[in-house]
Amino acid sequence: SQTIHQWPATLVQPVGSPLSLECTVEGTSNPNLYWYRQAAGRGLQLLFYSVGIGQISSEVPQNLSASRPQDRQFILSSKKLLLSDSGFYLCAWSGVAPGGTEAFFGQGTRLTVV
Amino acid sequence: DQQVKQNSPSLSVQEGRISILNCDYTNSMFDYFLWYKKYPAEGPTFLISISSIKDKNEDGRFTVFLNKSAKHLSLHIVPSQPGDSAVYFCAAMNSGYSTLTFGKGTMLLVSP
Repeated sequence: SQTIHQWPATLVQPVGSPLSLECTVEGTSNPNLYWYRQAAGRGLQLLFYSVGIGQISSEVPQNLSASRPQDRQFILSSKKLLLSDSGFYLCAWSGVAPGGTEAFFGQGTRLTVV
Repeated sequence: DQQVKQNSPSLSVQEGRISILNCDYTNSMFDYFLWYKKYPAEGPTFLISISSIKDKNEDGRFTVFLNKSAKHLSLHIVPSQPGDSAVYFCAAMNSGYSTLTFGKGTMLLVSP
């Protein structure tokens, strides 16, 4: 069965420090991968999505970047964190299931920039 | 411009009654719709989905209805249970682009 791993679960980082959040997927190949951020009052905001290795699309301008070095690995990064980068970050993948297209989320990373 | 709207930020229902969560969308290119349930500090959990070629999909206590002409879908939970208390997100997808667009969510509170 397909599983998605996201780590770390919580992270406290000082302003100006770098960031690396990692997400890996098991049990599927060539998945579409996503990074979302949940912000208060804004629901789930799509940050990046990738349809293949090295293919990254950015949905909103920001202080973050994403990379997909391997088929089932998706990384969210920043060179210098801002206070406004604090939030709850979610990795997701989508694929075709017997019932149709489905998308599954990791458990999320609570990032606090201090 | 918000393409997927959940106009009710919260909903309170008594245990055993029906919960109806609503969602409207504006993009006629959306052809697949999904509902997710989310507890605090956890990732969303997939609940149920529906393709635009259908108007109803049922899975246990959860039923999703789609009205394409009105660009409206709803999630029915019958009977509601206290464990259903969570934030519910509606999501829409244009399968050709493979990206999900979410609503802001509706917090459901089911009281005993």
